[in-house]
Amino acid sequence: EVQLVQSGAEMRKSGESLKISCTVSGYNFINSWIGWVRQVPGKGPEWMGSIYPANFDTIYRPSFQGQVTLSVDRAINTAYLQWSSLKASDTAMYYCARLNADVGHCEFDYWGQGSLVTVSS
Amino acid sequence: DTVLTQSPLSLPVTPGEPAAISCRSSQNLLNRNGYNYLNWYLQKPGQSPQLLIYLGSYRASGVPDRFSGGGSGTDFTLTISRVEAEDVGVYYCMQVLHSPYTFGQGTKLDFK
Repeated sequence: EVQLVQSGAEMRKSGESLKISCTVSGYNFINSWIGWVRQVPGKGPEWMGSIYPANFDTIYRPSFQGQVTLSVDRAINTAYLQWSSLKASDTAMYYCARLNADVGHCEFDYWGQGSLVTVSS
Repeated sequence: DTVLTQSPLSLPVTPGEPAAISCRSSQNLLNRNGYNYLNWYLQKPGQSPQLLIYLGSYRASGVPDRFSGGGSGTDFTLTISRVEAEDVGVYYCMQVLHSPYTFGQGTKLDFK
């Protein structure tokens, strides 16, 4: 069974750093892109970027480039999303999701449960 | 960015009746391989988005056959043949052909 399990809720202050995680199981972690999606409370989802564990290739939405960093630890099947200096506007729910890009597919099919990040000013 | 415009934004329905949601794209989502790179999700209250339809018209594993997706190019439709209580939530279309990937604004389905 494919599972993506995310780290728990976090509360930080503006200017602080944070790294949240997404640990996968049930499939070969190396061979599928992992995407990160932000959802501000009451708003729609927004794709932030994706990372390919096999070669660490990353794609960022321009508005998130330089604001966040995607990384993976292949030894423990875990993807990370990190901030070096949080802003109050980073307050949101963050989801990781697996991209199924097999032949005849291109969809984020499995999603983590979400990590709520709250940043106070 | 590719803009996806959903309509309606609110969809009050009667259980057992059909429902349809439109998603229009500002760019062509039909790839040279013949697939439309448009997916549909349902986000139930307090939950992660769940995949319903991928590549325009293919039902994801475990999705009831009352859900169907159609369309091509820039115009797509999600149809529910007979709405059931468990279908309440917000429906999103998402395109994965043009970076950055984008979502529609969402359509909230609830009962009259």
